[in-house]
Amino acid sequence: NAGVTQTPKFRVLKTGQSMTLLCAQDMNHEYMYWYRQDPGMGLRLIHYSVGEGTTAKGEVPDGYNVSRLKKQNFLLGLESAAPSQTSVYFCASHPPRDTIYFGEGSWLTVV
Amino acid sequence: DAKTTQPPSMDCAEGRAANLPCNHSTISGNEYVYWYRQIHSQGPQYIIHGLKNNETNEMASLIITEDRKSSTLILPHATLRDTAVYYCIVRVEGFKTIFGAGTRLFVKA
Repeated sequence: NAGVTQTPKFRVLKTGQSMTLLCAQDMNHEYMYWYRQDPGMGLRLIHYSVGEGTTAKGEVPDGYNVSRLKKQNFLLGLESAAPSQTSVYFCASHPPRDTIYFGEGSWLTVV
Repeated sequence: DAKTTQPPSMDCAEGRAANLPCNHSTISGNEYVYWYRQIHSQGPQYIIHGLKNNETNEMASLIITEDRKSSTLILPHATLRDTAVYYCIVRVEGFKTIFGAGTRLFVKA
Protein backbone atom coordinates (compact mmCIF):
# COMPACT_ATOMS: atom_id res chain seq x y z
CA ASN A 1 0.00 0.00 0.00
CA ALA A 2 1.82 3.08 -1.23
CA GLY A 3 -0.65 5.63 0.22
CA VAL A 4 -0.32 9.06 -1.43
CA THR A 5 2.51 9.38 -3.94
CA GLN A 6 3.68 12.61 -5.55
CA THR A 7 5.87 12.94 -8.61
CA PRO A 8 8.24 14.56 -9.18
CA LYS A 9 9.74 15.25 -5.74
CA PHE A 10 12.07 17.98 -6.99
CA ARG A 11 11.94 20.18 -10.07
CA VAL A 12 13.54 23.38 -11.28
CA LEU A 13 11.65 25.33 -13.93
CA LYS A 14 12.42 28.42 -15.93
CA THR A 15 9.92 31.26 -15.88
CA GLY A 16 7.24 30.65 -18.47
CA GLN A 17 7.70 26.88 -18.65
CA SER A 18 4.84 24.54 -17.98
CA MET A 19 4.72 21.39 -15.93
CA THR A 20 2.37 18.94 -14.27
CA LEU A 21 2.57 17.48 -10.79
CA LEU A 22 1.00 14.08 -10.38
CA CYS A 23 -0.66 12.83 -7.22
CA ALA A 24 -1.66 9.20 -7.04
CA GLN A 25 -3.48 7.43 -4.20
CA ASP A 26 -4.25 3.74 -3.92
CA MET A 27 -6.78 3.96 -1.08
CA ASN A 28 -9.88 4.57 -3.22
CA HIS A 29 -10.43 7.97 -1.60
CA GLU A 30 -13.06 10.33 -2.91
CA TYR A 31 -11.50 13.58 -1.75
CA MET A 32 -8.17 14.87 -3.06
CA TYR A 33 -6.38 18.17 -2.48
CA TRP A 34 -3.43 20.22 -3.62
CA TYR A 35 -1.81 22.58 -1.10
CA ARG A 36 1.21 24.82 -1.34
CA GLN A 37 3.48 25.78 1.54
CA ASP A 38 5.86 28.71 1.42
CA PRO A 39 8.78 29.00 3.88
CA GLY A 40 7.58 29.60 7.44
CA MET A 41 3.94 29.55 6.39
CA GLY A 42 1.03 27.19 6.82
CA LEU A 43 -0.54 25.17 4.03
CA ARG A 44 -2.79 26.98 1.58
CA LEU A 45 -5.40 25.13 -0.43
CA ILE A 46 -4.99 25.52 -4.20
CA HIS A 47 -7.66 23.22 -5.65
CA TYR A 48 -9.55 20.19 -4.47
CA SER A 49 -11.77 17.44 -5.80
CA VAL A 50 -14.68 15.61 -4.18
CA GLY A 51 -14.75 12.81 -6.74
CA GLU A 52 -13.75 11.64 -10.18
CA GLY A 53 -14.47 14.27 -12.80
CA THR A 54 -14.97 17.09 -10.29
CA THR A 55 -12.68 19.93 -9.25
CA ALA A 56 -13.12 23.12 -7.26
CA LYS A 57 -11.07 26.18 -6.37
CA GLY A 58 -9.44 26.61 -3.00
CA GLU A 59 -7.85 29.66 -1.41
CA VAL A 60 -5.10 30.35 -3.98
CA PRO A 61 -6.15 28.88 -7.36
CA ASP A 62 -4.72 31.51 -9.71
CA GLY A 63 -1.99 30.27 -12.03
CA TYR A 64 -2.90 26.60 -11.54
CA ASN A 65 -5.22 24.14 -13.22
CA VAL A 66 -6.23 20.66 -12.09
CA SER A 67 -7.84 17.57 -13.47
CA ARG A 68 -9.33 14.42 -11.92
CA LEU A 69 -9.97 12.14 -14.86
CA LYS A 70 -9.38 9.02 -12.79
CA LYS A 71 -10.38 8.58 -9.17
CA GLN A 72 -6.88 7.66 -8.08
CA ASN A 73 -5.08 10.58 -9.76
CA PHE A 74 -5.18 14.32 -9.19
CA LEU A 75 -3.02 16.42 -11.51
CA LEU A 76 -1.84 19.96 -10.80
CA GLY A 77 -0.71 21.98 -13.80
CA LEU A 78 1.28 25.17 -14.09
CA GLU A 79 0.75 26.58 -17.59
CA SER A 80 3.30 29.39 -17.35
CA ALA A 81 5.45 29.11 -14.24
CA ALA A 82 6.34 32.25 -12.29
CA PRO A 83 8.94 32.73 -9.52
CA SER A 84 6.03 33.35 -7.09
CA GLN A 85 5.08 29.69 -7.58
CA THR A 86 8.32 28.52 -6.02
CA SER A 87 7.04 26.47 -3.11
CA VAL A 88 6.56 23.02 -1.64
CA TYR A 89 3.43 21.34 -2.94
CA PHE A 90 1.53 18.74 -0.94
CA CYS A 91 -1.13 16.43 -2.19
CA ALA A 92 -3.62 14.85 0.19
CA SER A 93 -6.60 12.53 0.09
CA HIS A 94 -9.26 11.13 2.37
CA PRO A 95 -12.53 9.20 2.30
CA PRO A 96 -15.75 11.07 3.18
CA ARG A 97 -15.61 10.46 6.92
CA ASP A 98 -11.98 10.06 7.85
CA THR A 99 -8.72 11.86 8.36
CA ILE A 100 -6.47 13.26 5.68
CA TYR A 101 -3.45 11.42 4.33
CA PHE A 102 -0.63 13.51 2.90
CA GLY A 103 2.05 12.86 0.33
CA GLU A 104 5.69 13.62 1.02
CA GLY A 105 5.75 16.89 -0.89
CA SER A 106 7.13 18.18 -4.17
CA TRP A 107 9.76 20.91 -4.10
CA LEU A 108 9.39 23.29 -7.04
CA THR A 109 11.77 26.14 -7.84
CA VAL A 110 11.01 28.61 -10.62
CA VAL A 111 14.01 30.69 -11.75
CA ASP B 1 -15.49 26.97 7.30
CA ALA B 2 -14.84 28.27 10.80
CA LYS B 3 -11.53 30.01 11.36
CA THR B 4 -9.11 29.15 14.12
CA THR B 5 -6.69 31.24 16.19
CA GLN B 6 -3.52 29.73 17.64
CA PRO B 7 -0.47 31.27 19.31
CA PRO B 8 2.42 31.43 16.84
CA SER B 9 4.88 29.64 19.09
CA MET B 10 5.23 27.87 22.45
CA ASP B 11 7.99 26.28 24.48
CA CYS B 12 7.77 23.15 26.58
CA ALA B 13 10.30 21.30 28.74
CA GLU B 14 11.00 17.71 27.81
CA GLY B 15 8.95 15.30 29.89
CA ARG B 16 6.35 17.91 30.75
CA ALA B 17 2.86 18.16 29.34
CA ALA B 18 2.47 20.45 26.34
CA ASN B 19 -0.88 22.24 26.24
CA LEU B 20 -1.64 23.83 22.89
CA PRO B 21 -4.70 26.11 22.79
CA CYS B 22 -6.97 26.83 19.86
CA ASN B 23 -9.77 29.35 19.59
CA HIS B 24 -12.63 28.59 17.18
CA SER B 25 -15.38 30.89 18.37
CA THR B 26 -17.36 30.73 15.10
CA ILE B 27 -17.55 26.94 14.96
CA SER B 28 -20.90 25.56 13.88
CA GLY B 29 -22.70 22.53 15.25
CA ASN B 30 -21.57 20.03 12.61
CA GLU B 31 -17.92 21.06 12.44
CA TYR B 32 -15.27 18.82 13.95
CA VAL B 33 -12.02 19.97 15.55
CA TYR B 34 -8.95 18.31 14.03
CA TRP B 35 -5.32 18.51 15.06
CA TYR B 36 -2.39 17.79 12.77
CA ARG B 37 1.32 18.35 13.13
CA GLN B 38 4.10 18.91 10.65
CA ILE B 39 7.68 17.99 11.44
CA HIS B 40 10.26 19.86 9.37
CA SER B 41 8.97 19.85 5.79
CA GLN B 42 7.21 16.51 5.89
CA GLY B 43 3.55 16.12 5.06
CA PRO B 44 1.23 16.91 8.01
CA GLN B 45 0.41 14.01 10.29
CA TYR B 46 -2.99 13.42 11.86
CA ILE B 47 -3.08 13.52 15.66
CA ILE B 48 -6.67 13.52 16.90
CA HIS B 49 -10.12 14.92 16.28
CA GLY B 50 -13.42 15.40 18.10
CA LEU B 51 -16.88 16.93 17.92
CA LYS B 52 -18.12 17.60 21.45
CA ASN B 53 -16.59 15.15 23.87
CA ASN B 54 -13.01 15.00 25.02
CA GLU B 55 -10.94 12.47 23.13
CA THR B 56 -7.77 10.55 23.90
CA ASN B 57 -5.56 8.32 21.82
CA GLU B 58 -2.03 7.02 22.02
CA MET B 59 -0.58 10.33 20.88
CA ALA B 60 -2.57 13.00 22.68
CA SER B 61 -5.72 14.19 24.40
CA LEU B 62 -8.18 16.72 23.05
CA ILE B 63 -10.19 18.85 25.45
CA ILE B 64 -13.11 20.77 23.93
CA THR B 65 -14.92 23.38 26.01
CA GLU B 66 -18.62 22.92 26.62
CA ASP B 67 -19.53 25.82 24.32
CA ARG B 68 -17.11 24.37 21.70
CA LYS B 69 -15.53 27.76 21.13
CA SER B 70 -12.07 26.60 22.08
CA SER B 71 -10.03 23.46 22.54
CA THR B 72 -6.69 22.31 23.91
CA LEU B 73 -4.40 19.64 22.56
CA ILE B 74 -2.42 17.94 25.31
CA LEU B 75 0.79 16.00 24.70
CA PRO B 76 1.14 14.35 28.12
CA HIS B 77 4.91 13.82 28.16
CA ALA B 78 6.56 15.91 25.46
CA THR B 79 9.77 14.64 23.89
CA LEU B 80 12.25 16.37 21.61
CA ARG B 81 10.64 14.55 18.69
CA ASP B 82 7.40 16.43 19.36
CA THR B 83 9.01 19.67 18.18
CA ALA B 84 6.82 20.58 15.22
CA VAL B 85 4.17 22.94 13.91
CA TYR B 86 0.73 22.00 15.24
CA TYR B 87 -2.37 22.90 13.25
CA CYS B 88 -5.86 23.19 14.68
CA ILE B 89 -8.57 22.91 12.03
CA VAL B 90 -12.33 22.93 12.15
CA ARG B 91 -14.34 21.45 9.31
CA VAL B 92 -17.45 19.57 8.46
CA GLU B 93 -16.53 15.91 8.36
CA GLY B 94 -15.72 15.03 4.80
CA PHE B 95 -15.54 18.61 3.57
CA LYS B 96 -12.55 20.60 2.36
CA THR B 97 -9.85 21.41 4.87
CA ILE B 98 -8.32 24.84 5.32
CA PHE B 99 -5.10 25.13 7.35
CA GLY B 100 -4.08 28.18 9.38
CA ALA B 101 -0.57 29.20 10.37
CA GLY B 102 -0.41 26.80 13.33
CA THR B 103 1.65 26.86 16.54
CA ARG B 104 5.36 26.14 16.41
CA LEU B 105 6.11 24.01 19.49
CA PHE B 106 9.70 23.87 20.73
CA VAL B 107 10.42 21.06 23.18
CA LYS B 108 13.61 21.80 25.09
CA ALA B 109 15.87 19.40 26.97
